[in-house]
Amino acid sequence: SQQGEEDPQALSIQEGENATMNCSYKTSINNLQWYRQNSGRGLVHLILIRSNEREKHSGRLRVTLDTSKKSSSLLITASRAADTASYFCATESNFGNEKLTFGTGTRLTIIP
Amino acid sequence: ETGVTQSPTHLIKTRGQQVTLRCSSQSGHNTVSWYQQALGQGPQFIFQYYREEENGRGNFPPRFSGLQFPNYSSELNVNALELDDSALYLCASSSPAESYNEQFFGPGTRLTVL
Repeated sequence: SQQGEEDPQALSIQEGENATMNCSYKTSINNLQWYRQNSGRGLVHLILIRSNEREKHSGRLRVTLDTSKKSSSLLITASRAADTASYFCATESNFGNEKLTFGTGTRLTIIP
Repeated sequence: ETGVTQSPTHLIKTRGQQVTLRCSSQSGHNTVSWYQQALGQGPQFIFQYYREEENGRGNFPPRFSGLQFPNYSSELNVNALELDDSALYLCASSSPAESYNEQFFGPGTRLTVL
């Protein structure tokens, strides 16, 4: 079963604009991670935020985490055509074996 | 690209057949996790192997089985294939000694069951 839901399911924006994707999850977590996937290929790790962190930056990426609302957001600033991909949030629970539980994904299309 | 490799890239099987998928983990990683990703969905955890032992399993039937070898590479075996087994199968390697469970994914094997 999917842990979380991502919103929106699909997003199209003009190149240069900012893109924001949201993720909600259900159970207590150890950390939350964001991944990118191009055209049904392997997943690329983007950023990890721990449960005791509220915000994290990496280049053009900004992630926030609100554990009281069980939600996270991913902001991509100054989007580029190469950012076109599907984006998934994944949570690691604070029980056991490091398995990741993925959301349903947001399909992002950057229009040149 | 990560150092995780998977073979084969694509595979076509018929219902009832058996399939073996392979994964070589990134150097230094002793943990391999397998995920199934149906079209349009997020990946779903199948199981994880740590030092050649199964270390957790998702909601998949026993006909999904695995192995991990002393060099930490891994196999996923699926018996009695069903049409719904058609999916992208991803493996990911990690090391508990490294930062917070960053998992490195391979490119996946696309399995089609006819």
